[in-house]
Amino acid sequence: EPEVTQTPSHQVTQMGQEVILRCVPISNHLYFYWYRQILGQKVEFLVSFYNNEISEKSEIFDDQFSVERPDGSNFTLKIRSTKLEDSAMYFCASSEIGGPPSHEQYFGPGTRLTVT
Amino acid sequence: AQTVTQSQPEMSVQEAETVTLSCTYDTSESNYYLFWYKQPPSRQMILVIRQEAYKQQNATENRFSVNFQKAAKSFSLKISDSQLGDTAMYFCAFFNAGGTSYGKLTFGQGTILTVHP
Repeated sequence: EPEVTQTPSHQVTQMGQEVILRCVPISNHLYFYWYRQILGQKVEFLVSFYNNEISEKSEIFDDQFSVERPDGSNFTLKIRSTKLEDSAMYFCASSEIGGPPSHEQYFGPGTRLTVT
Repeated sequence: AQTVTQSQPEMSVQEAETVTLSCTYDTSESNYYLFWYKQPPSRQMILVIRQEAYKQQNATENRFSVNFQKAAKSFSLKISDSQLGDTAMYFCAFFNAGGTSYGKLTFGQGTILTVHP
């Protein structure tokens, strides 16, 4: 069964450093998403991406964040200057089109980002 | 904006018994979908069950079923014959199909379910 993959599984970085989190969505999917989950809290939407542009973004997704689909397979989330409060699990998801029912979002295993 | 509330931070159940997890939501929209996701200790998000708001019939997937009360804006998950592998965090999630949200899911706070042998 096709699946969303994410690398790395765990990233440790120092405050102020740039990080890039990578995702490989399912190959025939067209919509891509990033969510984050601070430890012990709920999953929060960050951004959705379609046709090489951002479709929607949340208040969390400020100028420090950017997304890119550099080639036909990868989908990346960049944080330019990490802060301690960016420490969280980041989930990538993809779907065939932008909504259910048959177009459910498939989630990757997540990247745990630790900012020290 | 939509909100999703799960009022039970933690629940426990004995193996083979039945447990119900609660979820309420608030929306002014009429066209939406509701989901339950499971997040085991591995932290992978797994879709358990979905419900279309326009359907009156409650969704069922094997041992998982929902009680969807649209007027009350309630969406509970019932797990029958609980198994040890059901131990996980469970999230209720909302999707507004009538707006311009491109697949954005709004999640509740989660309920940690522990199944005891």
